[in-house]
Amino acid sequence: GQQLNQSPQSMFIQEGEDVSMNCTSSSIFNTWLWYKQDPGEGPVLLIALYKAGELTSNGRLTAQFGITRKDSFLNISASIPSDVGIYFCAGLRGASGSRLTFGEGTQLTVNP
Amino acid sequence: GAGVSQSPRYKVTKRGQDVALRCDPISGHVSLYWYRQALGQGPEFLTYFNYEAQQDKSGLPNDRFSAERPEGSISTLTIQRTEQRDSAMYRCASSPNGGIEAFFGQGTRLTVV
Repeated sequence: GQQLNQSPQSMFIQEGEDVSMNCTSSSIFNTWLWYKQDPGEGPVLLIALYKAGELTSNGRLTAQFGITRKDSFLNISASIPSDVGIYFCAGLRGASGSRLTFGEGTQLTVNP
Repeated sequence: GAGVSQSPRYKVTKRGQDVALRCDPISGHVSLYWYRQALGQGPEFLTYFNYEAQQDKSGLPNDRFSAERPEGSISTLTIQRTEQRDSAMYRCASSPNGGIEAFFGQGTRLTVV
């Protein structure tokens, strides 16, 4: 079963607002990743974080890998309608190529 | 093809029947993963391959589930004697060299009635 607790479960915001979502775990992960899933599609990788404390940006997205290696957050600034979708955090314990553990997702709705 | 291709996109089967789900990864990708995603949940790991070798099958729920990748390319996930609780979206992903970025397919929506 899922081992990552992701919150909030859903968010309804106005276009232009900033968004923050986070993910926590009871156990340590060596790598944290954030994915976005559009309706009818598979998840697409947005950001990968490899070191505790790391802060990484990708355009309007910013994500941080918590110091304890048990949490991560994702911020989206100046949201636009195409940001709508489900955002998943995922953790990786072992070496590359091993299993990902996903959170339950945050459903984001952006009102124009 | 350009992306990970899964077939069929939708499968409705009667309880007790066997089903085979196919995944055609991105050409040249070494690693192939199978995940299952219930409605409103994140993907849940089932199994993965490097080339033709099954590296980890610890996520397969029980012995009715099996997967193969005999030539290190196309993979088949087989569910025997399907049950209603097997209904879910089954997703395949591949990555070039077992790296972090796995590219997901559109999935097969399995409904067991």
